[in-house]
Amino acid sequence: GENVEQHPSTLSVQEGDSAVIKCTYSDSASNYFPWYKQELGKRPQLIIDIRSNVGEKKDQRIAVTLNKTAKHFSLHITETQPEDSAVYFCAASMSQGAQKLVFGQGTRLTINP
Amino acid sequence: DTGVSQDPRHKITKRGQNVTFRCDPISEHNRLYWYRQTLGQGPEFLTYFQNEAQLEKSRLLSDRFSAERPKGSFSTLEIQRTEQGDSAMYLCASSFTGGELFFGEGSRLTVL
Repeated sequence: GENVEQHPSTLSVQEGDSAVIKCTYSDSASNYFPWYKQELGKRPQLIIDIRSNVGEKKDQRIAVTLNKTAKHFSLHITETQPEDSAVYFCAASMSQGAQKLVFGQGTRLTINP
Repeated sequence: DTGVSQDPRHKITKRGQNVTFRCDPISEHNRLYWYRQTLGQGPEFLTYFQNEAQLEKSRLLSDRFSAERPKGSFSTLEIQRTEQGDSAMYLCASSFTGGELFFGEGSRLTVL
C-alpha cells in the first residue's frame, strides 16, 4: 500500500521568511496530493491540493509542487506570518475509488516574530 | 455551523467498556470516512462509506470496532471492550465522490 514520508518533523523560521516542507510517496498510482493545516485541538483543514496532471499550483502565499517521476511533492509558504504556526500534514491518494488519504507524519511549523 | 459535527468531543472510559461515537456529515456529501489520530502522528484511515454502504475497512479496524451509516446520513463508530491502545482522536470526514475531504473536530477517547 501507499506510504508517505514527510520532512522535517519540526521547522522554525523567522517571520517573513519562507518555509518548505517535503513529502515522498511510494505508490505511483497516487494522483491526488492535499496539504492540511491543523492547529492545536482543531480539525485538519485543507489549505491546498494538487493533482498529478499539474506540476505546480499556487494560492496567494502558498504553493505546492509535484514531481511525479521522483514521487515527491512540496509545500512552500512565503512571507510567513505568526498565524502560519501549526502542524502541516501532506497526504496522497488515488482520486478514483476509495479516495482514502494516506498522511505523512506531520511538520510542526513555528514562526518566530 | 454546517460542517461535520462529532459527538461526544471527549470520552473517558475504563478499560473493557464499550464506547460509541457519532458523526453528522455535511448533508449533501455521499461519502463518510473515519480516521484515527494519535498524538504527534497523521490521521490513519479506518473505514469509509458511500451512502449507506461500507466499502472499505483498514486492517487497523479490529473486530472490536464496528461502524454503521444506516440511512446514508449520520454514522456511528463503536468500540467494544476498549483497551488502552484505543486511546486516540477519532476523526470523521465527509466529501462528494472525488471531492475535498472536510474533517470534523474529532472525538477524543481516553481509556484508563
